[in-house]
Amino acid sequence: DGGITQSPKYLFRKEGQNVTLSCEQNLNHDAMYWYRQDPGQGLRLIYYSQIVNDFQKGDIAEGYSVSREKKESFPLTVTSAQKNPTAFYLCASRSRTGRTDTQYFGPGTRLTVL
Amino acid sequence: EDQVTQSPEALRLQEGESSSLNCSYTVSGLRGLFWYRQDPGKGPEFLFTLYSAGEEKEKERLKATLTKKESFLHITAPKPEDSATYLCALRSNDYKLSFGAGTTVTVRA
Repeated sequence: DGGITQSPKYLFRKEGQNVTLSCEQNLNHDAMYWYRQDPGQGLRLIYYSQIVNDFQKGDIAEGYSVSREKKESFPLTVTSAQKNPTAFYLCASRSRTGRTDTQYFGPGTRLTVL
Repeated sequence: EDQVTQSPEALRLQEGESSSLNCSYTVSGLRGLFWYRQDPGKGPEFLFTLYSAGEEKEKERLKATLTKKESFLHITAPKPEDSATYLCALRSNDYKLSFGAGTTVTVRA
């Protein structure tokens, strides 16, 4: 059963703590993405990776870090430097067939700072 | 800079009452316009990709169209299960997506 999984579904963090969100895909996609979604706003790109061991900052990378050691996995760490981390976090991977390419999304992780 | 604006922010429809959602955009070179459906608390679900002006795609009660400045998502004879937030996104040269804020559609029985 192919797809993208994110864990945990809900995450609570105390101020000053780092937390890591998991994203795994078994679709054999090279590219993976992390987005943040806030109420009333569009999805904003945090980081993306086109290939293993390489990643680039998106529009709102400050306070976040990522790694891409395996093709299947792209974890996101929300550090204590992120001023307002409460949000819905979405991971995506991209398929490419000929001239068409599509990003498919995981179910999301809702992070709440207490 | 790529910009995507969706309107209206919210749309309340009676079951069977057809309507359209708008996605207007500015982009230096269109590499694809995407429509997604998102249910509350879930990840977006891919619906359509449009690549050139004049292109149309259909799926059940949904039909997406594209001009040089905007895209429309037409919902024909909607049912309550069509209630969701519909997101529009532009693809740039480096495969990044720029998203609009979405239109939340509520269909009443």
